[in-house]
Amino acid sequence: GIQVEQSPPDLILQEGANSTLRCNFSDSVNNLQWFHQNPWGQLINLFYIPSGTKQNGRLSATTVATERYSLLYISSSQTTDSGVYFCAPLSGNQFYFGTGTSLTVIP
Amino acid sequence: DSGVTQTPKHLITATGQRVTLRCSPRSGDLSVYWYQQSLDQGLQFLIQYYNGEERAKGNILERFSAQQFPDLHSELNLSSLELGDSALYFCASSGQGADTQYFGPGTRLTVL
Repeated sequence: GIQVEQSPPDLILQEGANSTLRCNFSDSVNNLQWFHQNPWGQLINLFYIPSGTKQNGRLSATTVATERYSLLYISSSQTTDSGVYFCAPLSGNQFYFGTGTSLTVIP
Repeated sequence: DSGVTQTPKHLITATGQRVTLRCSPRSGDLSVYWYQQSLDQGLQFLIQYYNGEERAKGNILERFSAQQFPDLHSELNLSSLELGDSALYFCASSGQGADTQYFGPGTRLTVL
């Protein structure tokens, strides 16, 4: 299966700061998802992005499939952005998860 | 509230037992996905059903099985349980042609 690496593993930000999370994957993919798991364990799908760039409010994502990576940008971070961010490339019919980036936003 | 419901919220059982986890997708969603999240393995995709048919299969053990019923709810059956099966089991649903998955709150399974 596909190997997925996410960086950084941990990130601490002051409220209002910007950040970039990276997801590298080892093979070509059909699609890619970004998820957020909040501190209470709830999973939320953020983006479904096989290529190109998508934006949703303060979040945006870019996938460069030919170079096998995806980036998640968080601008003007808020304490509610805290949690773990996972990327999950889709290859064939299976999703492969990275180990996540744990983000803590401090007021 | 995502609109996806999972029951039960918590389940404690013993090794060797069998349990059934239930998922009701959002109204109108045809796809259901099952995921396992454990401390050892992290998040893993188990299986996807679309309108009653198996669509994709991930790291699902042979001791585990799932199905989606005509009313679109889904059940994940876990048998011959082992300590390592202790995990959070999430269900998600998505609509026809839609990409976004909506997650339920999860079922926390503890095997003693």
